Amino acid sequence: DQQVKQNSPSLSVQEGRISILNCDYTNSMFDYFLWYKKYPAEGPTFLISISSIKDKNEDGRFTVFLNKSAKHLSLHIVPSQPGDSAVYFCAASESNYQLIWGAGTKLIIKP
Amino acid sequence: EAGVTQSPTHLIKTRGQQATLRCSPISGHTSVYWYQQALGLGLQFLLWYDEGEERNRGNFPPRFSGRQFPNYSSELNVNALELEDSALYLCASRMESPSTDTQYFGPGTRLTVL
Repeated sequence: DQQVKQNSPSLSVQEGRISILNCDYTNSMFDYFLWYKKYPAEGPTFLISISSIKDKNEDGRFTVFLNKSAKHLSLHIVPSQPGDSAVYFCAASESNYQLIWGAGTKLIIKP
Repeated sequence: EAGVTQSPTHLIKTRGQQATLRCSPISGHTSVYWYQQALGLGLQFLLWYDEGEERNRGNFPPRFSGRQFPNYSSELNVNALELEDSALYLCASRMESPSTDTQYFGPGTRLTVL
């Protein structure tokens, strides 16, 4: 049973436009959410996180939105750049320090 | 500050052999996590060590095992290798803190089983 779901295996966005990556979860006890970016053959890189007491967190071009009632979070990248092409994973935890991971979404930025 | 390091970068073994992968966490981090990423798949949680003890393991057979040393570095051992064990093995570390669950990843070890 997947507790964290990224339903879009891939997403293609024009350079300069907004990229929106989505993640849904089923466990209402999750209280911390993270986004990671991963290039092929490399380890994931932490991007941005949000705790359940917030509904938005922003860091430069990256903004994460959390909708607890819908059990949904999203990552917005504005503007999208070619270097943003990667696989993006969302992850969630229940204050027990073990992350539950989504399957990832491959983001392709078209020039 | 040095990041998480893993060795070797690449490892080629044959079926039935054993593989040992190593991980050094970020200084000050006490928790180490191991993940497997097979081709085209997401991150599969393998093992979690903290303060030298195994805290949890994922849905993998017992031939996947490991340990954490007093300096918080860790080893992952895979016995009786099978072809489907070919994957990128990632290690992550985390600082012991109630305010963060962020894990920081190493570059991974690419294991190929022939």
